[in-house]
Amino acid sequence: AQSVTQLDSHVSVSEGTPVLLRCNYSSSYSPSLFWYVQHPNKGLQLLLKYTSAATLVKGINGFEAEFKKSETSFHLTKPSAHMSDAAEYFCVVSERGARQLTFGSGTQLTVLP
Amino acid sequence: KAGVTQTPRYLIKTRGQQVTLSCSPISGHRSVSWYQQTPGQGLQFLFEYFSETQRNKGNFPGRFSGRQFSNSRSEMNVSTLELGDSALYLCASSLVAVTNTEAFFGQGTRLTVV
Repeated sequence: AQSVTQLDSHVSVSEGTPVLLRCNYSSSYSPSLFWYVQHPNKGLQLLLKYTSAATLVKGINGFEAEFKKSETSFHLTKPSAHMSDAAEYFCVVSERGARQLTFGSGTQLTVLP
Repeated sequence: KAGVTQTPRYLIKTRGQQVTLSCSPISGHRSVSWYQQTPGQGLQFLFEYFSETQRNKGNFPGRFSGRQFSNSRSEMNVSTLELGDSALYLCASSLVAVTNTEAFFGQGTRLTVV
């Protein structure tokens, strides 16, 4: 069975400071891992994905994530937050053959001026 | 390239009624999945269709059903609506399967049951 835990429901950072959104996963098989972002009243947009290639994954808008199998983690980072990054972020896992995405509970990111 | 289109965007229904939501995937995409998003339960998988066949179903009662047409468009139906069915329903399309390919989401249909 696959599951994902987002360790923080809310994160606040000041504009220009680093962002860290934490995610741990559980999977019986080699998983694919994703980070999605959802802006208010919008659908979900893919930030980045890990599918067993390079463990450090670069995504859009300066975000990146590192897959650490020993820690079963897939934390999302960005060196410098921008006001437009304020949104809800979802860590997502999918096992090969599962044919579904399992979402974490989400982390609301607030960026302070 | 057009994105995933969900119609209608907003719906208000009364308890006991039924509702049909529609999703048009990106051209060429054959897999369509549906998710329910609520403040309490978050995002939960409903079902996935590929080439008109349901390949996977989430843990929802039989009141929730769906289908996919030969042009890959999909509909989901909820019968005998309950207040707890109020949610944002999101549709995702992908080329084949969501595991390895990107899933593109529509903006969702906001269903309110009164």
